[in-house]
Amino acid sequence: DGGITQSPKYLFRKEGQNVTLSCEQNLNHDAMYWYRQDPGQGLRLIYYSQIVNDFQKGDIAEGYSVSREKKESFPLTVTSAQKNPTAFYLCASRSLQGDQETQYFGPGTRLLVL
Amino acid sequence: GQNIDQPTEMTATEGAIVQINCTYQTSGFNGLFWYQQHAGEAPTFLSYNVLDGLEEKGRFSSFLSRSKGYSYLLLKELQMKDSASYLCAALDSNYQLIWGAGTKLIIKP
Repeated sequence: DGGITQSPKYLFRKEGQNVTLSCEQNLNHDAMYWYRQDPGQGLRLIYYSQIVNDFQKGDIAEGYSVSREKKESFPLTVTSAQKNPTAFYLCASRSLQGDQETQYFGPGTRLLVL
Repeated sequence: GQNIDQPTEMTATEGAIVQINCTYQTSGFNGLFWYQQHAGEAPTFLSYNVLDGLEEKGRFSSFLSRSKGYSYLLLKELQMKDSASYLCAALDSNYQLIWGAGTKLIIKP
């Protein structure tokens, strides 16, 4: 079954703690993205990667870090420097072959601060 | 700057037709997407327009006018399950998606 998986579905963070959100895809997509969604707002891009071992900052990268060691995986770490991390985090991917512009989303991780 | 505008909320009746408008201003343009997002879930792809005109897919149609920076999503024969947020997003010159805040559609019986 091809798709994008994110885990966990819910994640709780304590003050000063780093947490890592998992994103895996078996669609053989080149590009992967992390978005943050807050109530009543559009999706905001945190980081994206178009190739293994390379990634670019999005609009709100401060307080976050990523890695892309494998094509299938693009984990996001929310560091203690991110002062307002409570949000719905969405991972997406798309093929860069031909004119395949559509981004497909994983089910999301909801991060809450204790 | 880059900007996407769409209404915050709309209400319609089951069985009716509703049109959700979206205007965009982006640096370069490589197409316009519509996604559906049910509460607490991830967005799912509905349509992609890059050329002017109307694209029909079953009960859903999407229209684009590049000269006006305008798109709409038309939903026909509304069903209760269509209650969701509808997100408009434009692909800019760097092939990054610029997202609107979404339109919450409420369907009443």
